[in-house]
Amino acid sequence: QQKVQQSPESLTVSEGAMASLNCTFSDGTSNNFRWYRQHSAKGLEVLVSIFSDGEKEEGRFTAHLNRANLHVSLHIREPQPSDSAVYLCAVSMRPGGYKVVFGSGTRLLVSP
Amino acid sequence: GALVYQYPRRTICKSGTSMRMECQAVGFQATSVAWYRQSPQKTFELIALSTVNSAIKYEQNFTQEKFPISHPNLSFSSMTVLNAYLEDRGLYLCGAGGAETLYFGSGTRLTVL
Repeated sequence: QQKVQQSPESLTVSEGAMASLNCTFSDGTSNNFRWYRQHSAKGLEVLVSIFSDGEKEEGRFTAHLNRANLHVSLHIREPQPSDSAVYLCAVSMRPGGYKVVFGSGTRLLVSP
Repeated sequence: GALVYQYPRRTICKSGTSMRMECQAVGFQATSVAWYRQSPQKTFELIALSTVNSAIKYEQNFTQEKFPISHPNLSFSSMTVLNAYLEDRGLYLCGAGGAETLYFGSGTRLTVL
């Protein structure tokens, strides 16, 4: 059964400094990875999706995937206090990626 | 684009009563619908996955008797929390499946008094 773990549990960065979040998964056949953001236990906001090894950039958010190492990361460039939220890693299979497994989240605090 | 609406956004029910929540897919055909629950201080757990014309598959610790799901067509699904108690409180998320992946709604927050 797929296990998705995120680290660190919480992270504090200064405004403008790069924030880096990590996610490991157990099923090496997974090929659908998404990073979501959740503000104050509200709904999910999609940040970036990545399906193959390498890098995918969406604005200030960049995902790096290394399936051989069972690792996907998220880097936030020039974070703002408004980026303070819980960041969730979600892993599934394409096509038909309906059984999404979520990590436990990283709580990011961006200090002014 | 693909959108998923959930309602109500928030709801409160008395302990021992039941609560129905709905999920509407707009702009795509939701052949599959997944229902998740995020309990306080926890991540999202899959309750069940419903695929049109197939049996609904419930995850361990979740049952049809407690969380009956309806998925009558390619744009709508509902789930009821029967006999809700304090441990059922949390954010219930609907993910509707298009061709490639799930699109998530904003969730229904359930408070149990």
